[in-house]
Amino acid sequence: DGGITQSPKYLFRKEGQNVTLSCEQNLNHDAMYWYRQDPGQGLRLIYYSQIVNDFQKGDIAEGYSVSREKKESFPLTVTSAQKNPTAFYLCASSIVAGGLNEQFFGPGTRLTVL
Amino acid sequence: QQQVKQSPQSLIVQKGGISIINCAYENTAFDYFPWYQQFPGKGPALLIAIRPDVSEKKEGRFTISFNKSAKQFSLHIMDSQPGDSATYFCAASRGLGGSQGNLIFGKGTKLSVKP
Repeated sequence: DGGITQSPKYLFRKEGQNVTLSCEQNLNHDAMYWYRQDPGQGLRLIYYSQIVNDFQKGDIAEGYSVSREKKESFPLTVTSAQKNPTAFYLCASSIVAGGLNEQFFGPGTRLTVL
Repeated sequence: QQQVKQSPQSLIVQKGGISIINCAYENTAFDYFPWYQQFPGKGPALLIAIRPDVSEKKEGRFTISFNKSAKQFSLHIMDSQPGDSATYFCAASRGLGGSQGNLIFGKGTKLSVKP
């Protein structure tokens, strides 16, 4: 059953803590993306990766970090430098980056800072 | 120039009616315009997409209308059903590979279809 999985579904963080959100895909896609979704704000691109061991900043990368050591995995770390991290985080993948390629989204992780 | 402006923010339609959501863009280099549908607590899913070489694309009850001169495109949902109640996002990109093809999303429209 192919798709994108994100874990955990809900995550609570204390201020000053780093947390890592997991994203795994078994679609054999080269490109992966992280978006942040806030109410009434649409989806904003945090980071994307076109190939293993390579990634680029999106529009709102400050306070976030990523790694792409395996094709299937693209974890996102929300660091203590992110001042307003409470949001719904979505991971996506596509066959290759950009073009007319459909992006497939995971079910999301809702992060709440306590 | 990178923005995609979407309206309305929310929409209430009676069952069987037509839902219309509009988007406008500034960057004339955009040439790929997808619409995504998102149910509460889920990730978005591609609904339908269009390129500017056609003015209209229809898939079942969903139609995209595209006006290149006005730099506008819209989603029409015919015979709207309660199961269509979701948030809809328009997006645009240059349709190119790599980073130049990153999607720019509108802010979304929350559609409620009343029985």
